[in-house]
Amino acid sequence: QVQMVESGGGLVKPGGSLRLSCAASGFTFSDYYMSWIRQAPGKGLEWLSYISNSGSTIHDADSVKGRFTVSRDNARNSLYLQMNSLRAEDTAVYYCARYWGTTHFDPWGQGTLVTVSS
Amino acid sequence: QTVVTQEPSFSVSPGGTVTLTCGLSSGSVSSSYYPSWYQQTPGQAPRTLIYSTNTRSSGVPDRFSGSILGNKAALTITGAQADDDSDYYCVLYMGSGLVFGGGTKLTVL
Repeated sequence: QVQMVESGGGLVKPGGSLRLSCAASGFTFSDYYMSWIRQAPGKGLEWLSYISNSGSTIHDADSVKGRFTVSRDNARNSLYLQMNSLRAEDTAVYYCARYWGTTHFDPWGQGTLVTVSS
Repeated sequence: QTVVTQEPSFSVSPGGTVTLTCGLSSGSVSSSYYPSWYQQTPGQAPRTLIYSTNTRSSGVPDRFSGSILGNKAALTITGAQADDDSDYYCVLYMGSGLVFGGGTKLTVL
């Protein structure tokens, strides 16, 4: 079945970096746009970025522009999120999701927790 | 910056009907914003309910429906069940990106 599994979360100090991965299976990864969405503890959802199936088109939210970079490796069926200059407010569960366009994300992975703290 | 607004909380009796809304702090929501709705229970990833205003995702019961009501997007649950007790998020497509509402906590009691 279609599945996404995020990994790479953990505890990082403010100003540090982390790279999240999302392993996709059950579908032809190279045919689909993908997206990252996060959720701070006890808070709502926040869209972060999407990337086209070829990787040639990327759109980031203003809140992470210049600090976070989305990429993908279609040969490895994997999506990535490179996060730099991390701040306490980046503490959240990070989800990857298959992105069908406009506002349609489906399905979502189970998420990986990133904690930014000294 | 435009904010996407949702009722913070709502309650409904089992078997009852409830309509959750998704608006804009400035302006009206139309189908051009392609509103979608997601359901989330504690500790779980969100689940797609409705996309592009009124298209039900695969496997979603037809008691969930989406529409535009007045100047807002709406999610209506007809015949609420106990397992509908969840958080519901709408998301809108803006020119500058995608913006989620703050979510509505629906209690079924």
